[in-house]
Amino acid sequence: DAKTTQPNSMESNEEEPVHLPCNHSTISGTDYIHWYRQLPSQGPEYVIHGLTSNVNNRMASLAIAEDRKSSTLILHRATLRDAAVYYCILRDPVSGNTPLVFGKGTRLSVIA
Amino acid sequence: GAVVSQHPSWVICKSGTSVKIECRSLDFQATTMFWYRQFPKQSLMLMATSNEGSKATYEQGVEKDKFLINHASLTLSTLTVTSAHPEDSSFYICSAAGLASFLDTQYFGPGTRLTVL
Repeated sequence: DAKTTQPNSMESNEEEPVHLPCNHSTISGTDYIHWYRQLPSQGPEYVIHGLTSNVNNRMASLAIAEDRKSSTLILHRATLRDAAVYYCILRDPVSGNTPLVFGKGTRLSVIA
Repeated sequence: GAVVSQHPSWVICKSGTSVKIECRSLDFQATTMFWYRQFPKQSLMLMATSNEGSKATYEQGVEKDKFLINHASLTLSTLTVTSAHPEDSSFYICSAAGLASFLDTQYFGPGTRLTVL
């Protein structure tokens, strides 16, 4: 899986939008961009994924740059419950059922 | 979404004893399960991949005789930490994947915190 780069930590005020960046300059044409998050003392949970077009779901939005070398996870209104480590992971479907490889992720703190 | 459970959620044991951790996919058939380990303030590290009915594939540096993995059915995988020592104290997390999970998502268990005294 190609490498991703994320800031170590970010801080946000409650009820404000949060933009979590991820750089993946070596992304291949078949790599999907996945985001997972890990709340304290829990296993990771799926957030969103996309290939080229921006994606929205009930948890977040994913904005993908036109050249696909970067993406941004958007939490529209951060809550205290969104405090977690967010992981940006590239996955190539050609690889089949392979494990997720976690980098260091971004630790998001939400201030009340 | 799909649910993956782990049991126990935490365990404290004496050095030298063995501990078994169960990972169950509750509402789907998991053809593949993955086991991770996470030390405090660190990211998840893959330990092994197990496919139902076959031997697990271990990552480099993970002792297969110490961390026994059994994936006997499409809904259950177990990790046994044999002769546990304090350095094995960690947060163990499993994830389960179905047939098309490379494109969709993987589902993680809530984790098992092991403390070896």
